Amino acid sequence: GAGVSQSPRYKVAKRGQDVALRCDPISGHVSLFWYQQALGQGPEFLTYFQNEAQLDKSGLPSDRFFAERPEGSVSTLKIQRTQQEDSAVYLCASSLVVVGAQETQYFGPGTRLLVL
Amino acid sequence: QQPVQSPQAVILREGEDAVINCSSSKALYSVHWYRQKHGEAPVFLMILLKGGEQKGHDKISASFNEKKQQSSLYLTASQLSYSGTYFCGTEDHAGGGNKLTFGTGTQLKVEL
Repeated sequence: GAGVSQSPRYKVAKRGQDVALRCDPISGHVSLFWYQQALGQGPEFLTYFQNEAQLDKSGLPSDRFFAERPEGSVSTLKIQRTQQEDSAVYLCASSLVVVGAQETQYFGPGTRLLVL
Repeated sequence: QQPVQSPQAVILREGEDAVINCSSSKALYSVHWYRQKHGEAPVFLMILLKGGEQKGHDKISASFNEKKQQSSLYLTASQLSYSGTYFCGTEDHAGGGNKLTFGTGTQLKVEL
């Protein structure tokens, strides 16, 4: 079946530009996560949705970062006025919430963002 | 708090075994293991929840110690396809929406 998909796969932006990164989770998955992965590092949590509700945005590095999931399916991560330190791979993951059970997160291939 | 992984990198000949460790300074709720190949999505390997738990499939297995502060991933009779970066992702409490804190990774390369 289809996994998590992300688009674009690669994005080059000039410093100061706004970018929008899209995530299509696995159909029926309730939970959606965004992570940022710097070169040579493990993924770092940014934000989490359960359906359309953003339950945790504690990992967003600044108010330039904004995420939404208006209909509880597709999610968009927006970065305003991009800076060079925003260059990273942005990973999306989804999971099927099952009450009382631990849930596997399935990751997409990521969007590699380069800010010049 | 970020878990510490060791070793940082390891090179194996095909057929050799490897152990990757993931340690925390405090008790964890769960440990998730992933493998990531360059430019690809992290791929889920397994979850451990209980202290003293051991689980595995095929030639990859993992353990979670009694104090739930350390997990180890065991790769036996390694194959070329095992090459990649291995991450442990940890939860330090229940009810956090499965938010994972990842270690810095262990790069594994299997050669002929």
